[in-house]
Amino acid sequence: AQSVTQLDSQVPVFEEAPVELRCNYSSSVSVYLFWYVQYPNQGLQLLLKYLSGSTLVKGINGFEAEFNKSQTSFHLRKPSVHISDTAEYFCAVSDFGNEKLTFGTGTRLTIIP
Amino acid sequence: GAGVSQSPRYKVAKRGQDVALRCDPISGHVSLFWYQQALGQGPEFLTYFQNEAQLDKSGLPSDRFFAERPEGSVSTLKIQRTQQEDSAVYLCASSSYSGSQETQYFGPGTRLLVL
Repeated sequence: AQSVTQLDSQVPVFEEAPVELRCNYSSSVSVYLFWYVQYPNQGLQLLLKYLSGSTLVKGINGFEAEFNKSQTSFHLRKPSVHISDTAEYFCAVSDFGNEKLTFGTGTRLTIIP
Repeated sequence: GAGVSQSPRYKVAKRGQDVALRCDPISGHVSLFWYQQALGQGPEFLTYFQNEAQLDKSGLPSDRFFAERPEGSVSTLKIQRTQQEDSAVYLCASSSYSGSQETQYFGPGTRLLVL
């Protein structure tokens, strides 16, 4: 069975500072990896996904993530955060041939002015 | 274009009542998913449809939960004899094709509170 671990439940960051949100996964098969963002009272929105190829994936709103197979990680980064980045961020994984997503417990990103 | 819509957005039910939650996926999307998100947790998979066929219902927590998608578009998640532990946000998602690499587009969710 696959699982996703987001070690940080909350991350406070000053505005314009860089941020890294950590995600580790476990799976016995090859996987696809996703980061979703959830703004208050809204549905989940895809930030980026890793399918294959380059391990550095660029997404919307200036976010990027790096797939590290040896460390089974898919950490999300942004070089300079903005107040509008305040939200809950979820890492998710799906197995090849299995369409359901398995999510982590989420990281709440709070931007300090 | 229109995204995934869900109704109602909020539902309060007394314990033991039956509830029905509706999902309108993006037009033409083949795959449809239901997830349950408890407070402070990530979404958890409930069930998956490809067109009208329910291909995976392994996440449904009990036989009180039932989902259908009879014409391959709108879907309904029904919970019979609701219990307090059913309180959660129920999320619906759709994707244009089948395949685990496809992006799932999520609706805003239905927040269910069982008293």
